[in-house]
Amino acid sequence: AQSVTQPDIHITVSEGASLELRCNYSYGATPYLFWYVQSPGQGLQLLLKYFSGDTLVQGIKGFEAEFKRSQSSFNLRKPSVHWSDAAEYFCAVGAGGTSYGKLTFGQGTILTVHP
Amino acid sequence: ETGVTQTPRHLVMGMTNKKSLKCEQHLGHNAMYWYKQSAKKPLELMFVYNFKEQTENNSVPSRFSPECPNSSHLFLHLHTLQPEDSALYLCASSLPSGSTDTQYFGPGTRLTVL
Repeated sequence: AQSVTQPDIHITVSEGASLELRCNYSYGATPYLFWYVQSPGQGLQLLLKYFSGDTLVQGIKGFEAEFKRSQSSFNLRKPSVHWSDAAEYFCAVGAGGTSYGKLTFGQGTILTVHP
Repeated sequence: ETGVTQTPRHLVMGMTNKKSLKCEQHLGHNAMYWYKQSAKKPLELMFVYNFKEQTENNSVPSRFSPECPNSSHLFLHLHTLQPEDSALYLCASSLPSGSTDTQYFGPGTRLTVL
């Protein structure tokens, strides 16, 4: 069975500082990996995804993530955080083929941005 | 209207009420999903529909009854709920392509069961 761990429940950074949110997954085959962001009272917005190919993936809002198979990780990064980035971030792993749709989400990381 | 919409956005109901949540996707997708998001817990997949056929029921209690009349609409019928069913219910849709699939989410319905 697939699983996702986001080790950091809550992270606080200053505006303009760099950011890295950690995500570790467990899956027996090649994973399909996603990062979503959720603002309070809202649904989930897709930031970026990795299916195959280049292990460094660019997403919206200046975010990027790097797939490292050897470390079973898919960490999310942003070089300079803006106050509007304050939200909850979810990493998810999906199965391909006939098991599409079975996304497994991590617990989420709440990001607070200080001015 | 674009994307995935959900109505109502907020719902308060008693344990003996019957209500329904509605989801509509305007993306031309053919798969739709219901998720439950409770405080302090990861998102839980409840149901999956593909081309109106249910392909996944993740051991959801029978007091939750999904309905998918076509690929654009998904309902979740609620009856005799418990207070622990209070949560944010999220709908998503996708267009499975080969072995890959990306889900797009609606804004959710915040449900409170009294």
